[in-house]
Amino acid sequence: SQQGEEDPQALSIQEGENATMNCSYKTSINNLQWYRQNSGRGLVHLILIRSNEREKHSGRLRVTLDTSKKSSSLLITASRAADTASYFCATDRGGSEKLVFGKGTKLTVNP
Amino acid sequence: DAGITQSPRHKVTETGTPVTLRCHQTENHRYMYWYRQDPGHGLRLIHYSYGVKDTDKGEVSDGYSVSRSKTEDFLLTLESATSSQTSVYFCAISEGGRMNTGANVLTFGAGSRLTVL
Repeated sequence: SQQGEEDPQALSIQEGENATMNCSYKTSINNLQWYRQNSGRGLVHLILIRSNEREKHSGRLRVTLDTSKKSSSLLITASRAADTASYFCATDRGGSEKLVFGKGTKLTVNP
Repeated sequence: DAGITQSPRHKVTETGTPVTLRCHQTENHRYMYWYRQDPGHGLRLIHYSYGVKDTDKGEVSDGYSVSRSKTEDFLLTLESATSSQTSVYFCAISEGGRMNTGANVLTFGAGSRLTVL
């Protein structure tokens, strides 16, 4: 079964607005990662947060992690049309080398 | 997708035929993975390799086999393709978490779209 589950499944916003995506997982983890996939392309790593971290920033990305609730959120601030893509969380299930991905959130940013 | 290439990128085949997808890397990474991506299911791990001739199953390994005779190549074989194996297949590589401060970050190929009629 999927380790990570993102919500919403789809999100449509206007350029300049913030986009928030959530990820829930089931078992203990060492790290949680977020990946982005443009249409017809492979996934690209965006950001990683370790289990002992609560928040991390990278440019317009902000990731939070709540291990007590087994959940994470990805915030994209001041979104652009180029941010249109699907976003996936991935977890390592207690340090395993096997990454398990969620089903993804499809983000559409309208110009 | 630099450093990792998948071939073929597109393939149409018939039910019952064997199919082999190839993943080639130039990064000398230890770990290689095969995922499949389907609408409503996200990415699911088929098999992965943690070294030459060392492989392990993922969550959807039935109907698939893999081989890794060289560090740079990881082959995924469908012995007898079925329509349920119509999917987009992604290869990924990594150095592994234990070798990289505990963070197993994957680099993905561009994908291979397989249609089984």
